[in-house]
Amino acid sequence: NAGVTQTPKFQVLKTGQSMTLQCAQDMNHEYMSWYRQDPGMGLRLIHYSVGAGITDQGEVPNGYNVSRSTTEDFPLRLLSAAPSQTSVYFCASTKTRLATTHTGELFFGEGSRLTVL
Amino acid sequence: AQSVSQHNHHVILSEAASLELGCNYSYGGTVNLFWYVQYPGQHLQLLLKYFSGDPLVKGIKGFEAEFIKSKFSFNLRKPSVQWSDTAEYFCAVNVRGGSQGNLIFGKGTKLSVKP
Repeated sequence: NAGVTQTPKFQVLKTGQSMTLQCAQDMNHEYMSWYRQDPGMGLRLIHYSVGAGITDQGEVPNGYNVSRSTTEDFPLRLLSAAPSQTSVYFCASTKTRLATTHTGELFFGEGSRLTVL
Repeated sequence: AQSVSQHNHHVILSEAASLELGCNYSYGGTVNLFWYVQYPGQHLQLLLKYFSGDPLVKGIKGFEAEFIKSKFSFNLRKPSVQWSDTAEYFCAVNVRGGSQGNLIFGKGTKLSVKP
């Protein structure tokens, strides 16, 4: 198992450019999500998906789009990059969609460091 | 809205010192609690978790945490830290019955251990 794989690891964009951060997991997890990590801010949820064809917004969704056409993939699109989107992005997944009495571990990818000039 | 507070932004300890990192959450219902660790340049890894049962939870690498419901706290402890524990530590919460992966993270505590 590769776990959660993110590409690219590093990217530099100019303001206004668009790009897609890729995320794939091979653990057959229902749930996938994107977080951004900024210094002193912890991790904030951007978008999440509880299954193929289902997505929803997290805490900071503006400027980002997602889709979930397959169980394995959950790409994050920046439509028109802004300097405020300079951050480290983490994709994460977990097996089941609901928080129960036996919540499983959230598995994180290695991160994608994005700089917007 | 739910929130998670970590009291210390940066903690500096010498090797063999004891560690306690504070975490408080604000939510009146039932929650699951987590501590994640992020070593320099790496992704987050689960250190330990609590969802029910014994409020004293043991995790990897000698870490433990105690859930005190009346104080809405889930403090992380280690009796004797090592240089290799230098990392950033994140407390996180999710709401029982909500979406499992929607963790609410604290802002993190950076731990520096001097050899």
